[in-house]
Amino acid sequence: RKEVEQDPGPFNVPEGATVAFNCTYSNSASQSFFWYRQDCRKEPKLLMSVYSSGNEDGRFTAQLNRASQYISLLIRDSKLSDSATYLCAVQEGGGADGLTFGKGTHLIIQP
Amino acid sequence: GAVVSQHPSRVICKSGTSVKIECRSLDFQATTMFWYRQFPKKSLMLMATSNEGSKATYEQGVEKDKFLINHASLTLSTLTVTSAHPEDSSFYICSASPGTGGPGEKLFFGSGTQLSVL
Repeated sequence: RKEVEQDPGPFNVPEGATVAFNCTYSNSASQSFFWYRQDCRKEPKLLMSVYSSGNEDGRFTAQLNRASQYISLLIRDSKLSDSATYLCAVQEGGGADGLTFGKGTHLIIQP
Repeated sequence: GAVVSQHPSRVICKSGTSVKIECRSLDFQATTMFWYRQFPKKSLMLMATSNEGSKATYEQGVEKDKFLINHASLTLSTLTVTSAHPEDSSFYICSASPGTGGPGEKLFFGSGTQLSVL
């Protein structure tokens, strides 16, 4: 059974702070990993793919640890607009496979 | 990025009626589309994989006779919720990939359909 686990939060974080989320996955055959952002009652929007070497996009940094089967997302200098639910997603194979999502981590940035 | 259009965005219907949701890839062809369902404060759950020109593949626990999927062209997949009941009320969302099925391909999502069954 494919499982993706996340701490649901909420994480209440002051503006400007750094916050990190982890996500674990059970299927060791998983090949592709993503972080999505979802606002209330909206579709998830791709934030970034996650690679073994780690990757950074502005204030966001994602890491993959295959040995321990977890991925992480770090947000630096958090903004009020970062408030959302962050979903990690795992794909077993390629684009022909659906994504398995975690339940999401709710982030609230406070002024 | 690629655009996936989903309609309607919201539908309210009476119990026992059927509801059709459309998912279109506007600027690419999608051999495969995916249908997800999300209950409040829950994760998106994959319901089925829609394959153009062939039968859909349903996830365990999803009734194929209740959730009819048609993928008649490379740009359109439809999900019909037949004989809807209040417990079918949920956020339904489709996704598609413009790629060839390789690892790491990004999936793009429609804007979702909020179904409320009275």
